[in-house]
Amino acid sequence: DQQVKQNSPSLSVQEGRISILNCDYTNSMFDYFLWYKKYPAEGPTFLISISSIKDKNEDGRFTVFLNKSAKHLSLHIVPSQPGDSAVYFCAASTPGNTPLVFGKGTRLSVIA
Amino acid sequence: KAGVTQTPRYLIKTRGQQVTLSCSPISGHRSVSWYQQTPGQGLQFLFEYFSETQRNKGNFPGRFSGRQFSNSRSEMNVSTLELGDSALYLCASSYQGTGELFFGEGSRLTVL
Repeated sequence: DQQVKQNSPSLSVQEGRISILNCDYTNSMFDYFLWYKKYPAEGPTFLISISSIKDKNEDGRFTVFLNKSAKHLSLHIVPSQPGDSAVYFCAASTPGNTPLVFGKGTRLSVIA
Repeated sequence: KAGVTQTPRYLIKTRGQQVTLSCSPISGHRSVSWYQQTPGQGLQFLFEYFSETQRNKGNFPGRFSGRQFSNSRSEMNVSTLELGDSALYLCASSYQGTGELFFGEGSRLTVL
């Protein structure tokens, strides 16, 4: 039973446009959410996070939105750049010393 | 500050053999987590060690085991390898085990 779902395996966006990556979760106990980016032959790297007490967090071109009632979060990248082409993983955790639960990832391709 | 180091980066084994993978966390980090990544399955949590104790365990068979040493370095072992064990094994470290994880580049295991 997947607790964190990324329903779009891939997404293709033109350079300069907005990329929107979506993530749904089923566990209402999740209180912390993160996005990781992964290039081929490298480990995932942390991108941005959001606590459940917020509904938006921004860091440069990256913004994460959290809709707790819909159990949905999204990552917006504006403007998209070719270097953003990677696999993006959504992850979530519950309070306490519990492991991060990851989605299956969405492969973003930014076309020049 | 050196990142998370995993060795070996690539290895090929045959069915029935066993394998040991090593992970050196970021200096000062006491938590080491292991994840398995296979195509289409995202990152599946294997186990987490904190101060030499297994604190969390994922839903993997007993063939998968691990340990952590007093210097926080960790090893994971897979015995009686099966074809389905072919995957990228990722190690991640953090100070407390919560929040942001810092990943290594992974060990790519191929079982023939």
